Amino acid sequence: DVKVTQSSRYLVKRTGEKVFLECVQDMDHENMFWYRQDPGLGLRLIYFSYDVKMKEKGDIPEGYSVSREKKERFSLILESASTNQTSMYLCASMEGAGIMTFFGQGTRLTVV
Amino acid sequence: QKEVEQDPGPLSVPEGAIVSLNCTYSNSAFQYFMWYRQYSRKGPELLMYTYSSGNKEDGRFTAQVDKSSKYISLFIRDSQPSDSATYLCATYSNYQLIWGAGTKLIIKP
Repeated sequence: DVKVTQSSRYLVKRTGEKVFLECVQDMDHENMFWYRQDPGLGLRLIYFSYDVKMKEKGDIPEGYSVSREKKERFSLILESASTNQTSMYLCASMEGAGIMTFFGQGTRLTVV
Repeated sequence: QKEVEQDPGPLSVPEGAIVSLNCTYSNSAFQYFMWYRQYSRKGPELLMYTYSSGNKEDGRFTAQVDKSSKYISLFIRDSQPSDSATYLCATYSNYQLIWGAGTKLIIKP
């Protein structure tokens, strides 16, 4: 079974803090994604990466950055957390030639 | 106009009913269509996918695509309380998934 593991299930951070969300996949997938999910807004793509050290902006990249130093690990960084970044964050990985996408369990981030 | 439209619900039905979940899409070039199920406080998991038109069946679940009307459906027969979840439709383009908003389904015992 493909496994996508996010480092935390729940996080509470203060406004202005730098926040790191880590994601690791064990299936050697090329493509990895970070989404946020908010009620009524569905899944919105923040950033994605199709290879090590490569990154592409998604639909809502403002206030976020990413890092992919190793194929299995994709990190999302909130440079200066704000209350409007309180959300569920989902990491996903997808095999390069297919459509099968696998998600982590999600990180519920609260910024106070 | 969003590329994939889905009514967010909630949709509440009694146990044992047939459930119909639906999405519409705008781009006739889309070929792959997926349904994901997401339980509360969990990540989505792939339920089924279809290529182009037609039906695909897996146990109590049937996925249907009508390309002429750009309409995709998921039918659940003999619905169970354990089917209560949010169901997200998606299509695939340029190595990315394009998502519907998700429909929250509640099966009442």
